[in-house]
Amino acid sequence: NAGVMQNPRHLVRRRGQEARLRCSPMKGHSHVYWYRQLPEEGLKFMVYLQKENIIDESGMPKERFSAEFPKEGPSILRIQQVVRGDSAAYFCASSPQADSTDTQYFGPGTRLTVL
Amino acid sequence: DQQVKQNSPSLSVQEGRISILNCDYTNSMFDYFLWYKKYPAEGPTFLISISSIKDKNEDGRFTVFLNKSAKHLSLHIVPSQPGDSAVYFCAARRRGSTLGRLYFGRGTQLTVWP
Repeated sequence: NAGVMQNPRHLVRRRGQEARLRCSPMKGHSHVYWYRQLPEEGLKFMVYLQKENIIDESGMPKERFSAEFPKEGPSILRIQQVVRGDSAAYFCASSPQADSTDTQYFGPGTRLTVL
Repeated sequence: DQQVKQNSPSLSVQEGRISILNCDYTNSMFDYFLWYKKYPAEGPTFLISISSIKDKNEDGRFTVFLNKSAKHLSLHIVPSQPGDSAVYFCAARRRGSTLGRLYFGRGTQLTVWP
């Protein structure tokens, strides 16, 4: 029973390049959440998606960031024209549904370094 | 605007003793609270949760207490073990929210020494 999978685990990009982070939720989970953790900070919510729908993107910067969760395949968090301030750990979580007592299970994260 | 606060960045406890990690929140709309444990270079692992209709929830060595009037919760670990050394995050969810987002504190680094 595989947990939440994220790849790559480490990603190095130069300023101006694009970063693509992938997340495969746990089997049977149709809700995906992305969080970002800056050094010495807690996790900050970015976006919540269900299959083919963005439910809440209020935590995601309006520019350069986008997310999708297609009908087939993993969820993708895409960062265009990366800047040094994008360097962080990006965590994906999944849950079977989104009721008030549902637990979110996290993947191991992708550590993005922007040179 | 930090709606979930963990004011102690670190805690050091001897093996076998009790560890108490504290968390405060400011949003009275929060009605569900979770604790996660995180090791370096790994994702957060769910530990225990509590709904606002309860004031205590216990699971093995872990107990979470909720004081709604004080907007305060705590995680007790008894007895503490060296393997418990990790960063502990408190998280909260809003009442009536079907959107699922969690609000996290900054974490407390727990060190359990032999």
